[in-house]
Amino acid sequence: AQSVAQPEDQVNVAEGNPLTVKCTYSVSGNPYLFWYVQYPNRGLQFLLKYITGDNLVKGSYGFEAEFNKSQTSFHLKKPSALVSDSALYFCAVRDPMDSNYQLIWGAGTKLIIKP
Amino acid sequence: EAGVVQSPRYKIIEKKQPVAFWCNPISGHNTLYWYLQNLGQGPELLIRYENEEAVDDSQLPKDRFSAERLKGVDSTLKIQPAELGDSAVYLCASSLGSVGEQYFGPGTRLTVT
Repeated sequence: AQSVAQPEDQVNVAEGNPLTVKCTYSVSGNPYLFWYVQYPNRGLQFLLKYITGDNLVKGSYGFEAEFNKSQTSFHLKKPSALVSDSALYFCAVRDPMDSNYQLIWGAGTKLIIKP
Repeated sequence: EAGVVQSPRYKIIEKKQPVAFWCNPISGHNTLYWYLQNLGQGPELLIRYENEEAVDDSQLPKDRFSAERLKGVDSTLKIQPAELGDSAVYLCASSLGSVGEQYFGPGTRLTVT
């Protein structure tokens, strides 16, 4: 069965430090992977996606993510965190073999950047 | 370019009352989604439209929930009657085809008392 795991409910990082938000997945085929961010009282905003090609994907607001097929992971990273990066981050995966094109969502990770 | 528009942003109703949410997707996006999101959790798909056709409504509680997307643009999600457990944020999203990334509206926060 398809699934996504975000093993950390919350990640705390000091401003200026690098950040990583973890995501692992389980799908039967080659996955389509997505990261979204949700600020308080806002809808989800698309950050980046991996479909094929270069394993390192760059997205909005200086974020990037690395697809690792052997570890079935798609961790979100940023070299230098900003206080404004504090938000809820969701990883999502789609199995291209799924005729319903359904996105499977992780439970979310709360990122707190402290000044 | 305007994003996905939803209204109302907030709604408070008593249980057993009806409620409706409206969504206007990004222009040109033929795929539209309704999700339910509980606090601190990921979105749960309720229904997906391709143009005016509901192609995946397997997660929609059809005894009380209904949706329509007349003319393949705007969509309305209705709950009748509402129950206490329906309190959540209802998100609308759209995409260019079913494979494209989804763009979300701000959501409607429903409180059922």
